[in-house]
Amino acid sequence: DIQMTQSPSTLSASIGDTVTITCRASESVKSRLAWYQQRPGKAPKLLIYKASSLQSGVPSRFSGSGSGTEFILTISSLQPDDFATYYCQQYNDYLTFGQGTKVEIK
Amino acid sequence: QITLKESGPTLVKPTQTLTLTCTFSGFSLTTSGVGVGWIRQPPGKALEWLGIIYWNDDKRYNPSLKTRLTITKDTSRNQVVLTMTNMDPVDTATYYCARKPAYDILTSHWLSVDDIYFDSWGQGALITISS
Repeated sequence: DIQMTQSPSTLSASIGDTVTITCRASESVKSRLAWYQQRPGKAPKLLIYKASSLQSGVPSRFSGSGSGTEFILTISSLQPDDFATYYCQQYNDYLTFGQGTKVEIK
Repeated sequence: QITLKESGPTLVKPTQTLTLTCTFSGFSLTTSGVGVGWIRQPPGKALEWLGIIYWNDDKRYNPSLKTRLTITKDTSRNQVVLTMTNMDPVDTATYYCARKPAYDILTSHWLSVDDIYFDSWGQGALITISS
């Protein structure tokens, strides 16, 4: 099965910062990758699908890039609501999630 | 507005069978391409996909859990049911149901059944396995 590895596991940032989260697949998943945001005690929320397509209603400060085995989620101008945990998920071969990246306030 | 909600027992004894129901509204599981999946999350840990059922009653399961899982649907009631046998304390987790969309609004294209990502989620149900 395909393993998804996110880095870093935790990221400290300030309001207004631009942050990047990396997700690496153990083998190519083409562009079949999604990103989710999960706030504490809440269900995950879809941000990005097909590696770079922005889900309807998601602010444009979120963007995704990459293909194959390396993917990046970028959050520009970090807002208070963005402090959360982010997960990548591949759907090229069944489904697997990364272990998560927590974005916390510096 | 799309909503999903999980319901079932909060406490299950080891070796017992868990039955969870997902009741949804705002979409139909008779629409071609639509699916409802199950995902779980142990406390403080990452998400794990369990399985999915499609509008045509096709089902796919996580290979590592396949022997323990059954997913069924009742389209007249807008419900999907997850059954998981031989529960163990390591199965303690929040269990979510979620919708796989049929259509990509951005590209105006119908999605493949293999395009499994989830655009709407239930609030989750914490299930504890303990004697």
